[in-house]
Amino acid sequence: NAGVMQNPRHLVRRRGQEARLRCSPMKGHSHVYWYRQLPEEGLKFMVYLQKENIIDESGMPKERFSAEFPKEGPSILRIQQVVRGDSAAYFCASSISRVPSYEQYFGPGTRLTVT
Amino acid sequence: SQQGEEDPQALSIQEGENATMNCSYKTSINNLQWYRQNSGRGLVHLILIRSNEREKHSGRLRVTLDTSKKSSSLLITASRAADTASYFCATDEGRQLTFGSGTQLTVLP
Repeated sequence: NAGVMQNPRHLVRRRGQEARLRCSPMKGHSHVYWYRQLPEEGLKFMVYLQKENIIDESGMPKERFSAEFPKEGPSILRIQQVVRGDSAAYFCASSISRVPSYEQYFGPGTRLTVT
Repeated sequence: SQQGEEDPQALSIQEGENATMNCSYKTSINNLQWYRQNSGRGLVHLILIRSNEREKHSGRLRVTLDTSKKSSSLLITASRAADTASYFCATDEGRQLTFGSGTQLTVLP
């Protein structure tokens, strides 16, 4: 049973370009969460999605960031017109349920560097 | 302090010693989880303790939870060099996990 997969593992973009980060949850998991980790800091929640629905995007910046989790395929975190401050590690997690006692399983992360 | 704030920020110990990390939080929680993150890697789930539990063990790990003080501690016994990592507590506030800024543990051989 493969774990949560993210690709790419490393992504370098120039300012103004778009970044697309992909996350495939664990088999059987229909809940996906995106977190951002700035250097020397803990993870900060961005968005929580179920298939075809955004449930909670309270941690998402209002502009340039969007997320989707289509019926088929991976979840995508999209950052338009990237700026240097977007440089961070972006982690995806999945869970089998939203019941609080269930664990979120994390992917290895995508490290975005904006030059 | 922030929800899920760890203390100390950094800790260096000798191999074989015990390491204790603390976490404080502000709001009511359903559960509290501890994660480990090796440098440049993803998070590894260590242990989950529910709000109605006071102590939990897993191998060399011991976690306590005091809901009256809104605090938790993670004890790693007989530490090894491979335990060197950042350790984060995370509280479940119903829709999301809120992470602290972590404790960087260094175990010296």
